[in-house]
Amino acid sequence: EAQVTQNPRYLITVTGKKLTVTCSQNMNHEYMSWYRQDPGLGLRQIYYSMNVEVTDKGDVPEGYKVSRKEKRNFPLILESPSPNQTSLYFCASRTWGLTSTGELFFGEGSRLTVL
Amino acid sequence: AQSVTQPDIHITVSEGASLELRCNYSYGATPYLFWYVQSPGQGLQLLLKYFSGDTLVQGIKGFEAEFKRSQSSFNLRKPSVHWSDAAEYFCATVPPNSGGYQKVTFGIGTKLQVIP
Repeated sequence: EAQVTQNPRYLITVTGKKLTVTCSQNMNHEYMSWYRQDPGLGLRQIYYSMNVEVTDKGDVPEGYKVSRKEKRNFPLILESPSPNQTSLYFCASRTWGLTSTGELFFGEGSRLTVL
Repeated sequence: AQSVTQPDIHITVSEGASLELRCNYSYGATPYLFWYVQSPGQGLQLLLKYFSGDTLVQGIKGFEAEFKRSQSSFNLRKPSVHWSDAAEYFCATVPPNSGGYQKVTFGIGTKLQVIP
């Protein structure tokens, strides 16, 4: 079954304690992206990756890091989480290039609370 | 820059009533258009999409959407709403045939409440 898998689904942590949210897709998609969803603000893109070792900032990258060492994985790293990073996070993937339609496939989300 | 407007943040309908969720886009050419649904505790799932051709597109769960170029709109409709349709709905656009990086632009979402 084609899917995007995120872990953990729920996490409560404290300010400053480094954490990683993993994301893996099994569709051989070139493009992967992280979004955060906050009430009244919709979906905002944090980082994206067009292929292995190629990443770029989205609209709200401050406080986050990413890496793309393998095509299927795109972890989101919070080096020193702060309470304003409390949010619902989504990983998504899609095809890339001239023939891509831009259709995104989403993970089920990771709800992060930073105390 | 492209933008997507969903004018209704919150909509409440009775079960069995018809539904229309509005979406307007701002872009020079006709973009690819999408509607996604986010059920409580779930990720976003594609409902339907429009690239070209017939302006009335059918999606999953009995939803349809109509593209109107003159109004730059892509409104989502359902003739009879079920309680399980309570969710948040997002309209999204992608520039067509742009190659390279195609930024997906999302609307802010419309939360649908269904009352018995």
